[in-house]
Amino acid sequence: GDSVTQMEGPVTLSEEAFLTINCTYTATGYPSLFWYVQYPGEGLQLLLKATKADDKGSNKGFEATYRKETTSFHLEKGSVQVSDSAVYFCALSTSGTYKYIFGTGTRLKVLA
Amino acid sequence: KAGVTQTPRYLIKTRGQQVTLSCSPISGHRSVSWYQQTPGQGLQFLFEYFSETQRNKGNFPGRFSGRQFSNSRSEMNVSTLELGDSALYLCASSLEGSLNTEAFFGQGTRLTVV
Repeated sequence: GDSVTQMEGPVTLSEEAFLTINCTYTATGYPSLFWYVQYPGEGLQLLLKATKADDKGSNKGFEATYRKETTSFHLEKGSVQVSDSAVYFCALSTSGTYKYIFGTGTRLKVLA
Repeated sequence: KAGVTQTPRYLIKTRGQQVTLSCSPISGHRSVSWYQQTPGQGLQFLFEYFSETQRNKGNFPGRFSGRQFSNSRSEMNVSTLELGDSALYLCASSLEGSLNTEAFFGQGTRLTVV
């Protein structure tokens, strides 16, 4: 079945460091790909998405490119802030399934 | 506008009991889906409803059930609770549940089974 694999955390970075969180997927159809973020005590919020190969999603300085050849959707940010500390989830969804398949989540901690 | 509202926020139940969780979607949203979040299994899809019809169901036992009302509010029920049902239950709503419409998540109901 379809699945998402993302790097284990936690990831600890200093403020202004470069961030990469790896995400790869397995899907039989043509999925859309998403990054969601969960702040402490909150539900999930959509961070960015890409719906087809080579699309780049971006929001709040975060970027991810849909790479069909490597089945990847890695999340990057050039300069992280303390306020970016959260858990990040990579997810996929395929048309007609009405559901997301999530990775296990990567906890990011940014130190001042 | 108001976000997705889940009630109650916290719940403690005893093994063998049943529980009902409620989700009020964003006004105008007709799709509601439910997820179970645990440290061991992560986020797992339970079911999705659109206009009172279940369109998809995850791989959970029949003890887990749900429904959606005509005003799009949704409830999920877990009968004969087990310790392993302890989790954060998240509800998400969207306009129609398709890939083109964003899903908005509530803060969740944290269920503890003792």
